[in-house]
Amino acid sequence: SQQGEEDPQALSIQEGENATMNCSYKTSINNLQWYRQNSGRGLVHLILIRSNEREKHSGRLRVTLDTSKKSSSLLITASRAADTASYFCATDLTDSWGKLQFGAGTQVVVTP
Amino acid sequence: GAVVSQHPSRVICKSGTSVKIECRSLDFQATTMFWYRQFPKQSLMLMATSNEGSKATYEQGVEKDKFLINHASLTLSTLTVTSAHPEDSSFYICSAVRGGGQPQHFGDGTRLSIL
Repeated sequence: SQQGEEDPQALSIQEGENATMNCSYKTSINNLQWYRQNSGRGLVHLILIRSNEREKHSGRLRVTLDTSKKSSSLLITASRAADTASYFCATDLTDSWGKLQFGAGTQVVVTP
Repeated sequence: GAVVSQHPSRVICKSGTSVKIECRSLDFQATTMFWYRQFPKQSLMLMATSNEGSKATYEQGVEKDKFLINHASLTLSTLTVTSAHPEDSSFYICSAVRGGGQPQHFGDGTRLSIL
């Protein structure tokens, strides 16, 4: 079964707006990772946040992690048409030997 | 750095054919490689974990005789879909990881269509 639940399932915004998506998980993790997938392509790693970290930034991306609530959020600021993609959270569970459990994903469409 | 090459990108073949997919880490040695399957508009489903020089570990429900994995070196893993049938049509993606706690680096996927 999937570890991560993401919401919303789909998000449609205009260029320049911010996009926020959330991920919840059920069991203890080593880290949580966010990936982007363009249609028909592989996944691109965005950010890895460890269980002892609360917030991380990378360019226009901001990720938060709340281990007490078992949730994470990904914020994309000042979105661009090129940000159109599916975004997945993935949890590295403490007993999984490096395997990732992927969420269902959020499909983001940014219109010019 | 951290480039993973997956080949071929697209395969169309007749039912009963065996298909081999290669996954190579081009600029790093991968302690572990993973094979996933993805159906349209769905998330990734882990099929198996592959470590160099040892047998792959398959997830529950994945037939090891159907999906043969060989991990011959620290930079190459192959997935062979044996005697493929239309229900095996899917998008197969591999990933490679340098070590524990590191992000996975993904290939661009293989679109397999069995007629």
